[in-house]
Amino acid sequence: EIVLTQSPATLSLSPGERATLSCRASQSVSSYLAWYQQKPGQAPRLLIYDASNRATGIPARFSGSGSGADFTLTISSLEPEDFAVYYCQQHSNRPLTFGGGTKVEIK
Amino acid sequence: EVQLVESGGDLVQPGGSLRLSCAASGFTFTNYAMSWVRQAPGKGLEWVSSINAGGGSTYVADSVKGRFTISRVNSRDTVYLQMNSLRGEDTAIYYCAKAISSSGYNLYWGQGTLVTVSS
Repeated sequence: EIVLTQSPATLSLSPGERATLSCRASQSVSSYLAWYQQKPGQAPRLLIYDASNRATGIPARFSGSGSGADFTLTISSLEPEDFAVYYCQQHSNRPLTFGGGTKVEIK
Repeated sequence: EVQLVESGGDLVQPGGSLRLSCAASGFTFTNYAMSWVRQAPGKGLEWVSSINAGGGSTYVADSVKGRFTISRVNSRDTVYLQMNSLRGEDTAIYYCAKAISSSGYNLYWGQGTLVTVSS
């Protein structure tokens, strides 16, 4: 099973600041990595697929990068609605696995 | 507009059974794999099971293997999760998701249905 480790667990930032979230895999997943956003009481929403492709309707301030075992989700300038929990997921190998999440909170 | 509406969640005793349903609309159901993902209270996401578009291939996590079964009825645009021999650790919100493939990412998620296993 591929283990995904997200860091930091919590990121405290102010609106307008840049957020950089990390996801590290226990082995290479090529570019088969997705990022999701989850707000309290809501279902997750797909942000990024295949490491760097924005899903439909996702603002350009969200970007993904990386390949192999190291990935980054960047939010260039935080909007109030971006404060949420973010999860990465690999879809290279079964079982599909998720990282433990990074909470982006208002500083 | 894509819609996924889960139902069937309930309070059940350990050892009991439940069947979750997910009714899909707003897309061509027969073109997509479907998945179930769960989230225990205050915890992260855990993939549970997936089924390919035609229904001929299914996959389940080791944590539920032999107890949970995924199925779909394409004529009803519905996917199911039959859960038997339920345990306390199965307590979670269960999300249905439209997937790019049976081993791919989830394009769209339903709002979830809560399963509580407790005596």
